[in-house]
Amino acid sequence: DAGVIQSPRHEVTEMGQEVTLRCKPISGHNSLFWYRQTMMRGLELLIYFNNNVPIDDSGMPEDRFSAKMPNASFSTLKIQPSEPRDSAVYFCASRSGSRETQYFGPGTRLLVL
Amino acid sequence: DAKTTQPPSMDCAEGRAANLPCNHSTISGNEYVYWYRQIHSQGPQYIIHGLKNNETNEMASLIITEDRKSSTLILPHATLRDTAVYYCIVLQYGNKLVFGAGTILRVKS
Repeated sequence: DAGVIQSPRHEVTEMGQEVTLRCKPISGHNSLFWYRQTMMRGLELLIYFNNNVPIDDSGMPEDRFSAKMPNASFSTLKIQPSEPRDSAVYFCASRSGSRETQYFGPGTRLLVL
Repeated sequence: DAKTTQPPSMDCAEGRAANLPCNHSTISGNEYVYWYRQIHSQGPQYIIHGLKNNETNEMASLIITEDRKSSTLILPHATLRDTAVYYCIVLQYGNKLVFGAGTILRVKS
């Protein structure tokens, strides 16, 4: 089992550029979560999907952020345009059912200059 | 979901048991106690969870008081690799994980 896969692991970009983060959940898992972690705000849930459908996006900070899950094995989190305050570690997690635990990926470390 | 209170940091000697407390005085009957940890620069890792009975797995034991208002995570023989931030989370099945500040556990040789 490869676990949750995220790419890229590190991203450095300039303010105003588009950033796309990618996640491959564990095979067979039907829920996917995107989190953001910063020193100031800790670990925050941005959005989660059940069976590829967005269920709760109340944590998405603003319209610059969007997330998609076109199929059960792939999700993207896009920031357009990016800003320095978006610098953080972004984690993806997946779960196989509402009673099961979440498994987290290694994270993408984003730095926006 | 109920709120939890954890000490900000704790130290433990290598090889000794680490006992991490968590208060959740407003927990309701259908809410579970979950523990996750986050080792530096890694994603959070599930440790254990329980409803009202004590639980044990290969990583840790979870002791929940009879009134369910508090719990303790026990790492029986802490190693340096157990140094991490430990999060106690209370939630119903299917609800969102909400991470607080957690407890920084430092295991020292």
